[in-house]
Amino acid sequence: GQQVMQIPQYQHVQEGEDFTTYCNSSTTLSNIQWYKQRPGGHPVFLIQLVKSGEVKKQKRLTFQFGEAKKNSSLHITATQTTDVGTYFCAGPEGSGGGADGLTFGKGTHLIIQP
Amino acid sequence: GAGVSQSPSNKVTEKGKDVELRCDPISGHTALYWYRQSLGQGLEFLIYFQGNSAPDKSGLPSDRFSAERTGGSVSTLTIQRTQQEDSAVYLCASSYGTSKTDTQYFGPGTRLTVL
Repeated sequence: GQQVMQIPQYQHVQEGEDFTTYCNSSTTLSNIQWYKQRPGGHPVFLIQLVKSGEVKKQKRLTFQFGEAKKNSSLHITATQTTDVGTYFCAGPEGSGGGADGLTFGKGTHLIIQP
Repeated sequence: GAGVSQSPSNKVTEKGKDVELRCDPISGHTALYWYRQSLGQGLEFLIYFQGNSAPDKSGLPSDRFSAERTGGSVSTLTIQRTQQEDSAVYLCASSYGTSKTDTQYFGPGTRLTVL
């Protein structure tokens, strides 16, 4: 079945440093979504990428979708303590028509040291 | 407007007992999803409902798990004869449409602990 892998699993950074998490799928994705989960909270949608090679920015966050639509990355510039949490990428289950659940990566836990 | 709500927020049960977890999706959302998240892990897809159609049960881990959705709105996830490995946070999400590009909005989850 479809697999979505994320690296690294954990990332410790000093406040102000940059952070990047990478997501790779075993199959081509029609789209990729990114979610953030704060400690003790639930996943919250950040962004969706649909087009091959797409790049989207949200303030200090930059999201990229690979040309082959099998990988994606999230880059945070100058991390702040509010960025702490787990970042998940997710792609649609299966390749058929209609909506299914999402296949989530295991997430990257971002830990920021002041 | 109100987001996805789930109840109870926490549930502690003894091994072998049955539990019911409830999800109220965002009003007007036609799609509803259940996921399971074990401690420190990613999210595992369990089941998906689209309106009143028969659900996609492909993700349910065993026949002890079942779910229903009444009237195309509220959903209940039932776990029979709970086992310790069922301990996890059970998350419900809903989305407006049927497209795989639709954003899923998650509820706060139900933390299930099986003793």
